[in-house]
Amino acid sequence: GAGVSQTPSNKVTEKGKYVELRCDPISGHTALYWYRQSLGQGPEFLIYFQGTGAADDSGLPNDRFFAVRPEGSVSTLKIQRTERGDSAVYLCASSLTAGPIYNEQFFGPGTRLTVL
Amino acid sequence: QQQVKQSPQSLIVQKGGISIINCAYENTAFDYFPWYQQFPGKGPALLIAIRPDVSEKKEGRFTISFNKSAKQFSLHIMDSQPGDSATYFCAVLNQAGTALIFGKGTTLSVSS
Repeated sequence: GAGVSQTPSNKVTEKGKYVELRCDPISGHTALYWYRQSLGQGPEFLIYFQGTGAADDSGLPNDRFFAVRPEGSVSTLKIQRTERGDSAVYLCASSLTAGPIYNEQFFGPGTRLTVL
Repeated sequence: QQQVKQSPQSLIVQKGGISIINCAYENTAFDYFPWYQQFPGKGPALLIAIRPDVSEKKEGRFTISFNKSAKQFSLHIMDSQPGDSATYFCAVLNQAGTALIFGKGTTLSVSS
C-alpha cells in the first residue's frame, strides 16, 4: 500500500517568505508527527497530532511555526517569515495510534527546505 | 542536555564483517528503544526495536543488545553487506509515548 507522502520534495524560498509543507499519512493512521532534520543530525520532534488536534506541540521552535490537520488526515506545516536557520529536511510520520502501547512510526521521504 | 548519545559518528567495515553502533540514554523512564536506517533522500525506516524487559533481540543479521543498568543499547550487524551502507539512528520514545528522541546518527560504509 501507499506510504506517507510529502509535497513538495524540495522547496527553495527567500528569507522572510511564507511556506507550506504538506503531508499525506498512511490511510487509517490517526497519529501524525512532524520532525525536522538538519544536516548531519538526527530528526528532532516538532509536533504530534492525534486525530485533528495537536496533542503535543512542545517541539515547535517558535511562533513562526504552525501546523494543522483539519480533517484528521492530511496535515500542513506552515512557516512564517522564514529564516536561513529554518533550512532543513522536514519529515512527516504517521502511526496507527500513539500512547502507552507504542505503534511504529512510518516516515515519509521529507521536504527539503532551503531558505536563501 | 542531550538525552541520547550515539557513537561512533562514522564507521567503515569490510564486507562480511561485524558493524557495532552504540547508544546511551539518560532517562530511566524510557521504555522503547528502536534503531532506524536511513538512505540518502529517504525518510528513516524502522530496522529493529527492543523493550527493556529483554536483554537481546535478533532479527536476521541485526541484533540489539540492551543493558538496562548501564542505560546503554547497541546495534550489531553481522555479515555486513555493501547494501547496509546507510545512516543509522538510535532512538528512545519520550515519556508520553508519542515522540521519538533520536541520536545524531552513525554513517556506516561497507566496503566490498
